[in-house]
Amino acid sequence: DTEVTQTPKHLVMGMTNKKSLKCEQHMGHRAMYWYKQKAKKPPELMFVYSYEKLSINESVPSRFSPECPNSSLLNLHLHALQPEDSALYLCASSQDPLPSANEQFFGPGTRLTVL
Amino acid sequence: GQQLNQSPQSMFIQEGEDVSMNCTSSSIFNTWLWYKQDPGEGPVLLIALYKAGELTSNGRLTAQFGITRKDSFLNISASIPSDVGIYFCAGQNTLTSGTYKYIFGTGTRLKVLA
Repeated sequence: DTEVTQTPKHLVMGMTNKKSLKCEQHMGHRAMYWYKQKAKKPPELMFVYSYEKLSINESVPSRFSPECPNSSLLNLHLHALQPEDSALYLCASSQDPLPSANEQFFGPGTRLTVL
Repeated sequence: GQQLNQSPQSMFIQEGEDVSMNCTSSSIFNTWLWYKQDPGEGPVLLIALYKAGELTSNGRLTAQFGITRKDSFLNISASIPSDVGIYFCAGQNTLTSGTYKYIFGTGTRLKVLA
């Protein structure tokens, strides 16, 4: 299995809702990432988990809460989002920590719309 | 956040033509990578480069890691309609924590005219 899967594909939520995005990989990768991508822009890093521990938080607002239950799963819990949080949310994984094996593989993304 | 300068921003080409795009930075990177992204999908890794001066091919794609480690280019030969998409370069840095982080280029939007 050489892919990263993400669910759901699309999500529409209100500003008072609580929802979660899920990401899964079975490549034995030990680093997982959340990115946010606005239209016509490159992905922006949000969080990095390395060996199931949060290693980077790019000053993301607390209404986004990541969780790594095990080495194959990564969640992003959403609460009290704003309309400007609407974007494509991408999950990626990499073998980590060796530099020669740190190519990141991306999932298809979750298209989030906040009303 | 920080982005790499990627050019051209967009290009229209005829099917069968060769394409060239590049990525430049004021900082040195340990690794350069090139991704292609189709609308509504995640980026797909095309080529990864690990050494200054390295030239690597993947089918009709050829990429090079600049000698100064501050730039990279991607060439696509004999373009076909399915080459349409956005191409992103990414430079990889090692942070003091030992974690690796990508800096993405601004993207090159490619449109191929049949």
